[in-house]
Amino acid sequence: GNSVTQMEGPVTLSEEAFLTINCTYTATGYPSLFWYVQYPGEGLQLLLKATKADDKGSNKGFEATYRKETTSFHLEKGSVQVSDSAVYFCALSPSPYNTDKLIFGTGTRLQVFP
Amino acid sequence: ETGVTQSPTHLIKTRGQQVTLRCSSQSGHNTVSWYQQALGQGPQFIFQYYREEENGRGNFPPRFSGLQFPNYSSELNVNALELDDSALYLCASSGQGGSTNEKLFFGSGTQLSVL
Repeated sequence: GNSVTQMEGPVTLSEEAFLTINCTYTATGYPSLFWYVQYPGEGLQLLLKATKADDKGSNKGFEATYRKETTSFHLEKGSVQVSDSAVYFCALSPSPYNTDKLIFGTGTRLQVFP
Repeated sequence: ETGVTQSPTHLIKTRGQQVTLRCSSQSGHNTVSWYQQALGQGPQFIFQYYREEENGRGNFPPRFSGLQFPNYSSELNVNALELDDSALYLCASSGQGGSTNEKLFFGSGTQLSVL
């Protein structure tokens, strides 16, 4: 079946540190991959996405590359800020025709301290 | 902030009761998806409505049901509530039935507690 596995949190970093949050997936076919972010008290927001192998999604300094050979979509940022503190969810859509039906990982909480 | 609004924001029910949660989709969106997010877990897909018809369902029992209205707003109904139904219920809207080129917008959710 289809599934997403994320590294457990919390991830605790100092401001300006380098961030990596690991995400691996299991899927048949050619899924689309996503990172969503959930700030305290808010709904999920799309951070970035990639729809085919070797695509790189990027937004707000965050990047993730769709690696089919390792079935991974790791999230990275070169220099985190306190405002990046949130819960990050990796997700996949098994179908390229309906990307609203998402399978999420369990989420990774990021805490950034000044 | 997205244009997706959910009501109520919080709700407390007792086991065996029924509950209705409401969602207004973003203007121009005709597709609404519902997700259940248990504490410490990722959201799980419940079902999707596209132009007032159910358009896919996740692994949830029939006591979870929904409706979409002509203005594309939606309701999620849960009958015979169980303790494990306690969760944050998220509504998300998009245009054109979830096309790859469309973006999914989530509401802030309804926190349901079943006692």
